[in-house]
Amino acid sequence: ETGVTQTPRHLVMGMTNKKSLKCEQHLGHNAMYWYKQSAKKPLELMFVYSLEERVENNSVPSRFSPECPNSSHLFLHLHTLQPEDSALYLCASSQDPAYNEQFFGPGTRLTVL
Amino acid sequence: KQEVTQIPAALSVPEGENLVLNCSFTDSAIYNLQWFRQDPGKGLTSLLLIQSSQREQTSGRLNASLDKSSGRSTLYIAASQPGDSATYLCAVRNAGNNRKLIWGLGTSLAVNP
Repeated sequence: ETGVTQTPRHLVMGMTNKKSLKCEQHLGHNAMYWYKQSAKKPLELMFVYSLEERVENNSVPSRFSPECPNSSHLFLHLHTLQPEDSALYLCASSQDPAYNEQFFGPGTRLTVL
Repeated sequence: KQEVTQIPAALSVPEGENLVLNCSFTDSAIYNLQWFRQDPGKGLTSLLLIQSSQREQTSGRLNASLDKSSGRSTLYIAASQPGDSATYLCAVRNAGNNRKLIWGLGTSLAVNP
């Protein structure tokens, strides 16, 4: 397994469900990111982790809860989401959070009913 | 506040044409600029990264140029192929302490056989 992987690739959930998105990077990077991509909007940076410490939280609602147990894994825990949260959620990693190229996973297509 | 605009929003060309995608940004104080490709429903693949001190980068049939003073970058694709069909995204990383990536909305390219 190489690069950045994300599971599941597709997720349909009700507003009362709790689910988690998983991201794993096999690049030896120290920084990981969650992005939200909605139709007709630029990518929105949600969270940045550097060496397992959250270094950036861009005013994301508390119904999204990130977790970074180690530098290779990143989770996004979801609860009581709204239909407008339906989007493609992308994970990325880079050597460090400030300077370098980011490498993206394939994304999780989330639909909230 | 940095804003990134990509023109055109969509482009359809016959196979074999050379084409140019445009990206403009409002603040010339950038650290670097990156072009990505996104296939439908999938993650992003980094194509080219141009540092602020560089004028262009080339990879195969792709050539990206950067003119910081005018706030413009172009992605030139030579001898286009149907496999080039995708959305092409431009992202600018600001100089200074807050080096977020600021994203354009992308150009959706269709290369017809």
